[in-house]
Amino acid sequence: GAVVSQHPSRVICKSGTSVKIECRSLDFQATTMFWYRQFPKQSLMLMATSNEGSKATYEQGVEKDKFLINHASLTLSTLTVTSAHPEDSSFYICSAISGASMGTEAFFGQGTRLTVV
Amino acid sequence: DAKTTQPPSMDCAEGRAANLPCNHSTISGNEYVYWYRQIHSQGPQYIIHGLKNNETNEMASLIITEDRKSSTLILPHATLRDTAVYYCIVRVNNAGNMLTFGGGTRLMVKP
Repeated sequence: GAVVSQHPSRVICKSGTSVKIECRSLDFQATTMFWYRQFPKQSLMLMATSNEGSKATYEQGVEKDKFLINHASLTLSTLTVTSAHPEDSSFYICSAISGASMGTEAFFGQGTRLTVV
Repeated sequence: DAKTTQPPSMDCAEGRAANLPCNHSTISGNEYVYWYRQIHSQGPQYIIHGLKNNETNEMASLIITEDRKSSTLILPHATLRDTAVYYCIVRVNNAGNMLTFGGGTRLMVKP
């Protein structure tokens, strides 16, 4: 299947700092990518939909000024957690859907475990 | 997207078939059934999907009932590495359409 690469896989940051997470589709172009957050023992919750060349669409309750999303190219979307606080500690996962020629199933990155201290 | 109902947990003996059920009684005619799994601390992994016919690939088989209101994912010979949370998701097969995750089934494969 298609490959989605997410970096870093693990990051620890101090409270008040910002952290950038990258999501790349390595062997296909993705006009749309999705960002999820997963707290321990819970399911994945969609945070936002990232569209190449336009503004992201955020789910209800997700602060767009805190979770900045940039989808500058067809293979790269970034999520920046600004002014991080301990409650932002979570597992962040990106997803991209390949085009019709590859079956339109979604492929996921490896996830980024963010710990804010 | 339609909601799905899965048992929260299941056990399976190593080497045996694991049959994971999913109810999706409100599925629409253009919605596919997708299965993903998530091994601890990793991103979800695509397993299989189907519309109404049964499907099989190198990982699993998907059996969809004739009325499409339920399905079963079958891992024919479960191994310890199949221990994971398995998610059944119904979704319109569209490149711009996200996946909505429910609680999934935590499958524990035991030696």
